[in-house]
Amino acid sequence: EDKVVQSPLSLVVHEGDTVTLNCSYEVTNFRSLLWYKQEKKAPTFLFMLTSSGIEKKSGRLSSILDKKELFSILNITATQTGDSAVYLCAVDPIQGAQKLVFGQGTRLTINP
Amino acid sequence: EAQVTQNPRYLITVTGKKLTVTCSQNMNHEYMSWYRQDPGLGLRQIYYSMNVEATDKGDVPEGYKVSRKEKRNFPLILESPSPNQTSLYFCASSPRPGTGSSGANVLTFGAGSRLTVL
Repeated sequence: EDKVVQSPLSLVVHEGDTVTLNCSYEVTNFRSLLWYKQEKKAPTFLFMLTSSGIEKKSGRLSSILDKKELFSILNITATQTGDSAVYLCAVDPIQGAQKLVFGQGTRLTINP
Repeated sequence: EAQVTQNPRYLITVTGKKLTVTCSQNMNHEYMSWYRQDPGLGLRQIYYSMNVEATDKGDVPEGYKVSRKEKRNFPLILESPSPNQTSLYFCASSPRPGTGSSGANVLTFGAGSRLTVL
């Protein structure tokens, strides 16, 4: 069964810190891995990763994929209170049932 | 604005009273899906639709029905709600999976519908 595990489940840091969120996965046929940010409502898309070792970057956020070790990390540097959210990792497998397989999410809290 | 719209956003109902959560997207997406989100369990797919009149079960379809009579709409129907269907529900859509530059299924989510069944 396809599976995504995120760690830590919860993280509290101070503004300005750098954080690393982890996502490991097991999937039969991998197509891509996606990161979403969920504040009070809809998850919003951050990154899609398909190739190992190629960093995706957007401002203070970056992410990289390791297809050999089956994991991805999401880095946030110089964190701000607006980064407080649940960060979701999902895998898009190539399979008959078209769905994203989500991890439990990491709840990130940035204290001023 | 490109978006997925769900209604109602909040609903409290009682066991057995049929309800429908509507979902509409204005992006001409072929693929639509319903997920539920529960603490500690993440997002789990209920049903999905690859196109009009093409729906299929996801991981947790029991107690739910869907229909896709028009491309833009994908309502979720709870014929006889029970307390274990208390959850946060998300509708999502994307261009047809397998197409696009990577073929990836990048979902756009609605704002969510929080349902409580007493």
